[in-house]
Amino acid sequence: GDSVTQMEGPVTLSEEACLTINCTYTATGYPSLFWYVQYPGEGLQLLLKATKADDKGSNKGFEATYRKETTSFHLEKGSVQVSDSAVYFCALERQGGGNKLTFGTGTQLKVEL
Amino acid sequence: GAVVSQHPSRVICKSGTSVKIECRSLDFQATTMFWYRQFPKKSLMLMATSNEGSKATYEQGVEKDKFLINHASLTLSTLTVTSAHPEDSSFYICSAWGGGAAGHEQYFGPGTRLTVT
Repeated sequence: GDSVTQMEGPVTLSEEACLTINCTYTATGYPSLFWYVQYPGEGLQLLLKATKADDKGSNKGFEATYRKETTSFHLEKGSVQVSDSAVYFCALERQGGGNKLTFGTGTQLKVEL
Repeated sequence: GAVVSQHPSRVICKSGTSVKIECRSLDFQATTMFWYRQFPKKSLMLMATSNEGSKATYEQGVEKDKFLINHASLTLSTLTVTSAHPEDSSFYICSAWGGGAAGHEQYFGPGTRLTVT
């Protein structure tokens, strides 16, 4: 079945450092891919998405490119801020409709001054 | 963005009792809601898909008689954990699918922490 693999955290960075959170997937066909962010005490929020190969999703300075050759969707940001501290989830939308999502385990990011 | 609430945020119950968790879409109508379970350091696991006015669709391995789901209106779905046991202790999260003006995406509630003693 479909699966998503994320790098384990926590990831601790200094403010203004570069961020990469790796995400790879296994799926039939070419599913839509997502990054969700969960701030402390809040629900998951959609950060960005890509629906087909070579698409780049971007939002709030974060980017991720849908790479079908490597079945990856790594999350990147050039300069993180303390306010980016959160848990980040990579997910794919299962084939067959129904808007069902399969999630990775989540990666906690801590940004320090 | 669209808002989904869950109630309660935390609940502690005794083994053998039942617990109901509510999920509400506050500013949009949701024909479809999803229930997830999250274990520590694990991904969110989809338990079931709840469609307004019809029976829920459960994922493989999820006991439908254990986890009762009702989606009686376009803004409310409930999950009842029946005859709860300590192994049911977990973090339960709902989401609501917002189509149309809500932006065609899933909106997540903040989750409910269930502890069964």
